[in-house]
Amino acid sequence: GAGVSQSPSNKVTEKGKDVELRCDPISGHTALYWYRQSLGQGLEFLIYFQGNSAPDKSGLPSDRFSAERTGGSVSTLTIQRTQQEDSAVYLCASSFFGGTEAFFGQGTRLTVV
Amino acid sequence: AQKITQTQPGMFVQEKEAVTLDCTYDTSDQSYGLFWYKQPSSGEMIFLIYQGSYDEQNATEGRYSLNFQKARKSANLVISASQLGDSAMYFCAMRGGVYNQGGKLIFGQGTELSVKP
Repeated sequence: GAGVSQSPSNKVTEKGKDVELRCDPISGHTALYWYRQSLGQGLEFLIYFQGNSAPDKSGLPSDRFSAERTGGSVSTLTIQRTQQEDSAVYLCASSFFGGTEAFFGQGTRLTVV
Repeated sequence: AQKITQTQPGMFVQEKEAVTLDCTYDTSDQSYGLFWYKQPSSGEMIFLIYQGSYDEQNATEGRYSLNFQKARKSANLVISASQLGDSAMYFCAMRGGVYNQGGKLIFGQGTELSVKP
C-alpha cells in the first residue's frame, strides 16, 4: 500500500497480558515515530527511530513498553503486562529523513479490560 | 527541552469567517520545523502546513497560512473562509534538530474547532 499501515486496527486484551502492535511505514521512509493518544487528548510521544541510529526512547512511559524496528522498515511496539491505563489509540508515523511531513497510520485502538 | 503550548481547548467560528488558532513553542535549537495537523472525528491525522525556522516568508497552503513570529516563538494557524468540514481537532507540532534533519516530532494538546453554519 501507499500509506502507513498499522495492525490490528482494534485490540481488546485482558489486564496483565502482553500485546504487540505493528507498523508498516511508507517504503523508503527512514524515520518512524510511535505516539499514544488517550481519548480527547493530544499525542504523547513514545519512541522515534531514524535509520540505523539508536532510537530515541525518551517517551516510553515505563519498562513495560518496548519497540523495535527490523531491517529499517517494519516496527513493533510491545506492551507487557498491560494495565487499564494503557487503553488508548497508538499511532505510528513515518517520514523521509528531514522531510517536512510525517505521514500517519490509522492507529490501533487498544482496550485493556 | 522542547515544548508546544496550545492555550485554546475549544474555538467556535462562523462559516465563511477567518479564525486563528494559537500555538507557542519553546526550544533551544537554532534550527527547527513547525507543523499543523488536523484530526477530524474519524481519527486520521492530516498534515496541513509546515514552516521552517529559517524561512523568512510565512507558509501558505490554500486557505491555511502560518503566522510565524520567531521572536515571540509563536506559530499561529490562520484558516480563511471557514467551512463546515473544518470542524476538527487541530494540533501544532515541532521537530528540532540540526538543519531540520530529524528528531522527534512533539505535539501540543490541540484545539477543537467548531464551525457554525
